[in-house]
Amino acid sequence: DTEVTQTPKHLVMGMTNKKSLKCEQHMGHRAMYWYKQKAKKPPELMFVYSYEKLSINESVPSRFSPECPNSSLLNLHLHALQPEDSALYLCASSHGQGDRNYGYTFGSGTRLTVV
Amino acid sequence: GDSVTQMEGPVTLSEEAFLTINCTYTATGYPSLFWYVQYPGEGLQLLLKATKADDKGSNKGFEATYRKETTSFHLEKGSVQVSDSAVYFCALSPGGTSYGKLTFGQGTILTVHP
Repeated sequence: DTEVTQTPKHLVMGMTNKKSLKCEQHMGHRAMYWYKQKAKKPPELMFVYSYEKLSINESVPSRFSPECPNSSLLNLHLHALQPEDSALYLCASSHGQGDRNYGYTFGSGTRLTVV
Repeated sequence: GDSVTQMEGPVTLSEEAFLTINCTYTATGYPSLFWYVQYPGEGLQLLLKATKADDKGSNKGFEATYRKETTSFHLEKGSVQVSDSAVYFCALSPGGTSYGKLTFGQGTILTVHP
């Protein structure tokens, strides 16, 4: 298995809703990442987990709450989002944090629309 | 801080034309360099990589050489196909205190016509 699987593929939520994005990999990677990508822009790093511990938080608002229940799973809990949070949310994994040799494997993303 | 600069697009080519997308970077130390491709409606796929100076990454007919003296990592392909139409991102992975942060260029949209 050489994939990062993200669910759901599409999500529409209201500003008062609570929802979660899910990411799963079975490559034995020990680092997992959340990126946010707006249309026609490059991805922007949000969070990095290394060995199931949060190691980087890029000053992300608290309405985004990451969770890493085990080495294969990464969740992003969403609450009280704003319309400007609408974007493609990408999950990625790598052998180790900042893997310089093998690169990062990205999922297909969850396209989030906040109404 | 670290940064990546890509040539502005969009780039429009005819099938079988030669492709070059320029990428230059600024980084301390010795970063690893990557090219990622994003097809419409999809996530990013690693296209190729290079981890040290003078390394050449190659995949699916695409090539890029890590040039430390010019801080460049230009992407080339000798004969493009319609199926190569996508957005291409140059990126670097630094060491040191930024360990874990992949820095991307702005992306270059490539459209190939039959």
